[in-house]
Amino acid sequence: ETGVTQSPTHLIKTRGQQVTLRCSSQSGHNTVSWYQQALGQGPQFIFQYYREEENGRGNFPPRFSGLQFPNYSSELNVNALELDDSALYLCASSLVGFAWSFGSGTRLTVV
Amino acid sequence: AQTVTQSQPEMSVQEAETVTLSCTYDTSENNYYLFWYKQPPSRQMILVIRQEAYKQQNATENRFSVNFQKAAKSFSLKISDSQLGDTAMYFCAFNSPGGSEKLVFGKGTKLTVNP
Repeated sequence: ETGVTQSPTHLIKTRGQQVTLRCSSQSGHNTVSWYQQALGQGPQFIFQYYREEENGRGNFPPRFSGLQFPNYSSELNVNALELDDSALYLCASSLVGFAWSFGSGTRLTVV
Repeated sequence: AQTVTQSQPEMSVQEAETVTLSCTYDTSENNYYLFWYKQPPSRQMILVIRQEAYKQQNATENRFSVNFQKAAKSFSLKISDSQLGDTAMYFCAFNSPGGSEKLVFGKGTKLTVNP
């Protein structure tokens, strides 16, 4: 059974650029959530997708957007990057609630 | 809105001893789940233990157990026989069923197990 995998592991971008982060869900999982974890903080919920539809969003601006594909893999897109977007981005997948599997994250640095 | 508070930014314990990490939460919900996650330097969040609010019995997983006090909205984690591999960040998290099943995390406690 393959776990949640995220790519890339590290990324450096310039302020104002756009970035796409990718996540492959654990086999059989149809729900994916994305979290932002700033340095020294707990993860903050960005949004969740269930069967390709967004079904929940945290307090993040519209320049944070996402997609879930028919194979339940997912993307997180961030436009007009700001310095405060520097963080660890975590993807988590689940088949049923309360049994989330997390990836190892993508470390994004905005300079 | 639900909130989760971890009041201990850092803790340390000697190998083989017992340590307790604290967590309090605030919610108006009656049915919810509580979790403790471990985040080692590899960054992956690993589920340590889960508690359903409707269950009065405290959850136990090998060396890990919780003290769930629903009225006090308290959910502490006890680690017995601490091992060097327990060194990590520990996050308490809350989730209520229905709608998006987002996890609300505390700020974490950095636990160091000393040899």
